[in-house]
Amino acid sequence: NAGVTQTPKFQVLKTGQSMTLQCAQDMNHEYMSWYRQDPGMGLRLIHYSVGAGITDQGEVPNGYNVSRSTTEDFPLRLLSAAPSQTSVYFCASRADGTDTQYFGPGTRLTVL
Amino acid sequence: AQSVTQPDIHITVSEGASLELRCNYSYGATPYLFWYVQSPGQGLQLLLKYFSGDTLVQGIKGFEAEFKRSQSSFNLRKPSVHWSDAAEYFCAVGPRYYGGSQGNLIFGKGTKLSVKP
Repeated sequence: NAGVTQTPKFQVLKTGQSMTLQCAQDMNHEYMSWYRQDPGMGLRLIHYSVGAGITDQGEVPNGYNVSRSTTEDFPLRLLSAAPSQTSVYFCASRADGTDTQYFGPGTRLTVL
Repeated sequence: AQSVTQPDIHITVSEGASLELRCNYSYGATPYLFWYVQSPGQGLQLLLKYFSGDTLVQGIKGFEAEFKRSQSSFNLRKPSVHWSDAAEYFCAVGPRYYGGSQGNLIFGKGTKLSVKP
C-alpha cells in the first residue's frame, strides 16, 4: 500500500512549456484534490474530483486542467506554464464518508 | 467569508517548553476543524480533528487542541516540545458534512515552529 504517490518530485520548466503532474492512490478513494503551496499562503485548492469522470474547480483553477478517468489517477496539466505557477504542488485523497485526507509528498515546480 | 487565521507566522520555543499555536476561524456554521503538520520536504500529516463532543481533543505525537466556540478558536497545544516537533503547522476548517460527503478544506497560512536546543 503506497498511499498517495506523486511524480516527479522536482521539475523545472520554461515559460510556455506544458507538462503533467502525476498523482496516484491505491486506497480506492473517491475524493482526490490538488493544492498548491506558496510561502505565506498556506495551501490553496486548485481542482478536485469526487469520483471517476467528475471534476470541479477549487479556489485557484486558472492555468490548470484535470481529468479523472480512473479512481486511482488524477493528473494535473499545465498547458502553458507561467512563472506564477512556480510552487509546490500536493495531491491528496480521501475516502467518501471519512474525514481524513491523505497527502502525497509533493512536486516542486519551478517555471523560468 | 470563510477563512482561517493563524496569527503567528513563526514561533521559536526551547526544547521542553510548552507550546500553543493559535488558530481562529470565520465560518457560517459550526465547522469541522483540523490541525495538520508538515515536516520539511514532506506532505501534510493529520495531527487531530474536531467535529463534535468534548471540546478538548487529543491527537498524535502528544498534541491536543481545544475548540472554543465563543472565541472561534481552535488552538493547538503541547506540554513539552521535542526537537522533532520542528515543522510547519496548518489549521484547516471544513463544512459539517465534510466527513459524509464532498466538501473542501480551507487552510490557514501556517505557523513555522523552530525548536531551540
